[in-house]
Amino acid sequence: QVHLDEAGPGLVKPSEILSLTCTVSGDSINNYYWSWIRQSPEKTLEWIGYIDDTGSTKYNPSLKGRGSISRDTSKNHISLFLKDVREGDTGVYYCSRVGGRVWWSDPWGQGTLVTVSS
Amino acid sequence: DIQVTQTPTSLSASVGDEVTITCRTNFNPRNFLNWYQQKPGKAPSLLIFGASTLQTGVPLRFSASTSGTQSSLTIDNLQPEDSATYFCQQTYSTPWTFGQGTRVEV
Repeated sequence: QVHLDEAGPGLVKPSEILSLTCTVSGDSINNYYWSWIRQSPEKTLEWIGYIDDTGSTKYNPSLKGRGSISRDTSKNHISLFLKDVREGDTGVYYCSRVGGRVWWSDPWGQGTLVTVSS
Repeated sequence: DIQVTQTPTSLSASVGDEVTITCRTNFNPRNFLNWYQQKPGKAPSLLIFGASTLQTGVPLRFSASTSGTQSSLTIDNLQPEDSATYFCQQTYSTPWTFGQGTRVEV
């Protein structure tokens, strides 16, 4: 059974770089696409981007180029980097496996809370 | 971006009732429409994919359909464990976008 586990710093200061890791167990990251999705305190879900099975990436233009997703196949994990964070980046960050012909997201990790505050 | 408008924002119903949640998009997402259930304090979980296919293990009282730019999720014979927030998501084109969510109270 696939399990995803996100990890991050919890608290980040404005203008700093946020770094999150999603460790995948029960499946190889080479076999699927993997997404990062965040949920605001108001519960709105926003797709951040994905990395595909070749390592190519796609991002939400709303990030204005601040986001970067990478992978480490030796550790079977996916990383998200978000630079120049601001208070609006506060929320719960999830990683998920993406699959099928309609790009469903399943499963999701338990999420990691990120608070941007000075 | 494909905009997704989900209604209602919340609803309250009784055990055994039937409820319907609607998502409207400003572009036909074909069957690239997925539904998720999120319980308090938990991550969303996949309920329905491809507009109408139930994920493994999802009770048959859940169903969904799509017609053009309108998609609907119906829960028949509502049960207490169905209390949750439900989201639709279009994956027809990036950026993939979600509806605002519907909180269902049983």
